[in-house]
Amino acid sequence: GAVVSQHPSWVICKSGTSVKIECRSLDFQATTMFWYRQFPKQSLMLMATSNEGSKATYEQGVEKDKFLINHASLTLSTLTVTSAHPEDSSFYICSAPGAGGGYGYTFGSGTRLTVV
Amino acid sequence: AQTVTQSQPEMSVQEAETVTLSCTYDTSESDYYLFWYKQPPSRQMILVIRQEAYKQQNATENRFSVNFQKAAKSFSLKISDSQLGDAAMYFCAYSQNTGTASKLTFGTGTRLQVTL
Repeated sequence: GAVVSQHPSWVICKSGTSVKIECRSLDFQATTMFWYRQFPKQSLMLMATSNEGSKATYEQGVEKDKFLINHASLTLSTLTVTSAHPEDSSFYICSAPGAGGGYGYTFGSGTRLTVV
Repeated sequence: AQTVTQSQPEMSVQEAETVTLSCTYDTSESDYYLFWYKQPPSRQMILVIRQEAYKQQNATENRFSVNFQKAAKSFSLKISDSQLGDAAMYFCAYSQNTGTASKLTFGTGTRLQVTL
């Protein structure tokens, strides 16, 4: 079936540094990638939508300059958390729609980011 | 904007028993999809069941079935013959059928405990 590979699974970084999270569609082309953030014991909140070949669309309240999203190819979308701070610590999940037949979504395995 | 509401933060069921998780949603659209996702401790999102709004017949997947009441905007999940492996967070989700990729809007989730 359709697989989205997300790396890294977990990362610890120092405050003020940048972290890049990658999501690759392994056996299908993902023209769109959704990026979600999930705080402990909370739901998934959409941060932004990336589209191959165009600028990402950010949800209200999400800082574009802090969360840089690039959809470099039909199989790769990246989220870079710039100048990370402890409040950016969270679980980040990517999801590509439309793969695997029918109207479905394929999720990456998530990245746990801890900023110290 | 579409909203999804899960009014049960936690539910508990005994092994082999049946449990129903509630979900209501609000939308002005007539063509959309509804989903139930399971998130175990690994935090990998797993699709449990999917319902197309234009279909009157309730979706079923083995031990999982839904009660879709379009007029009432209700979409409950019934788990029959509960198993220990069913213990997880369950999220109800909505996506609009726009013909192209559409984001998922998630409810706040219900934590299901399965006891012996």
